[in-house]
Amino acid sequence: QLQLQESGPGLVKPSETLSLTCTVSGGSISSSSYYWGWIRQPPGKGLEWIGSIYYSGSTYYNPSLKSRVTISVDTSKNQFSLKLSSVTAADTAVYYCARLAGEWLVLWWGQGTMVTVSS
Amino acid sequence: EIVLTQSPGTLSLSPGERATLSCRASQSVSSSYLAWYQQKPGQAPRLLIYGASSRATGIPDRFSGSGSGTDFTLTISRLEPEDFAVYYCQQYGSSPLFGGGTKVEIK
Repeated sequence: QLQLQESGPGLVKPSETLSLTCTVSGGSISSSSYYWGWIRQPPGKGLEWIGSIYYSGSTYYNPSLKSRVTISVDTSKNQFSLKLSSVTAADTAVYYCARLAGEWLVLWWGQGTMVTVSS
Repeated sequence: EIVLTQSPGTLSLSPGERATLSCRASQSVSSSYLAWYQQKPGQAPRLLIYGASSRATGIPDRFSGSGSGTDFTLTISRLEPEDFAVYYCQQYGSSPLFGGGTKVEIK
């Protein structure tokens, strides 16, 4: 069964870069059938799309975050990663990684990881 | 840019009742690329409906989706105790976007 596991620091200082990795097990990140994505959810609020990536490295970023976001893929490790620079308290959220159908339909979600931005 | 508005914000119903949730788009959603997700407290969302009306794998048939263009509906025919949750719509035909959510709570 497919499993997606987010990992990374749970606390990031303002102005620094948030870095998360999603490890995929039970399936290959190099499958031509799927894209992979990141979505976040601030505490008590709704869902926000961050971006998505294909195994070839092709990416889509939310225009509102584009200047600060980098998503990359490491097929040798079956992982993909998120970097969000210049974070503020507004970036405090649960961050989910996901397997997608097409670029933007979420088929499978990771369990999510809480990231707090605070000094 | 498309805006998705979900209503009502909260729906208070009893088990066994019918739930009707609305998702309205500010512009037409291309090819009915509209999905619905269910999220329970402390859990990740899960896909219920895609393509406006197709149930995802393993989703009970009490969940149904309908609509096209700018108006979409998620219907739960008879609420089971496990259906009380927050529901989000998402358009995925262009830049992906989620609605603000509808909470279905026990009356």
